[in-house]
Amino acid sequence: AQKITQTQPGMFVQEKEAVTLDCTYDTSDPSYGLFWYKQPSSGEMIFLIYQGSYDQQNATEGRYSLNFQKARKSANLVISASQLGDSAMYFCAMREVNNNDMRFGAGTRLTVKP
Amino acid sequence: DAEITQSPRHKITETGRQVTLACHQTWNHNNMFWYRQDLGHGLRLIHYSYGVHDTNKGEVSDGYSVSRSNTEDLPLTLESAASSQTSVYFCASSESTWGARETQYFGPGTRLLVL
Repeated sequence: AQKITQTQPGMFVQEKEAVTLDCTYDTSDPSYGLFWYKQPSSGEMIFLIYQGSYDQQNATEGRYSLNFQKARKSANLVISASQLGDSAMYFCAMREVNNNDMRFGAGTRLTVKP
Repeated sequence: DAEITQSPRHKITETGRQVTLACHQTWNHNNMFWYRQDLGHGLRLIHYSYGVHDTNKGEVSDGYSVSRSNTEDLPLTLESAASSQTSVYFCASSESTWGARETQYFGPGTRLLVL
């Protein structure tokens, strides 16, 4: 069964600095997708970035990039130039092509300090 | 703009009552999903549908049911509400089940309290 692990319950970062949120996953399926979502205190789930298991390059979306290390089964989210509005819960998720479930990690609470 | 909406946004009910949570999307997505979010568990899949008249059980489906009569709607029914079903419920939809188009977009959530 697929499993997502986010080992950092909480993280702090200074405004304008970069921060890396860790995510490791476990799967035996060669085809899968990895996702990161942001959940601010208002509660909505906001899609940030996607990485396919066959993608050769790391995904980037504005200030977000995904450090994909397939052999290590890790998909860390890097946020550059942190802003106060980045303070939120961040969830890593994975969906195997041959498994209909999308599984989420427990999340990391990021706090950006002014 | 296309969107996904949920109603009600907040609901208080009593144990044993039947409750239906609505989910409506205007993305014209084939795939729709229901999740619950509880502290310490992240999001867990309840039910999902890959098209009209298609429904499937997820990880935590006991006590819940769904039906899909059109593309836009996937209502979630709690047949007999239990206190353990107090949670935040999210509906999501996706265009496809492969590649970047499998990205799921979420509704605003429904907070359900079962007393």
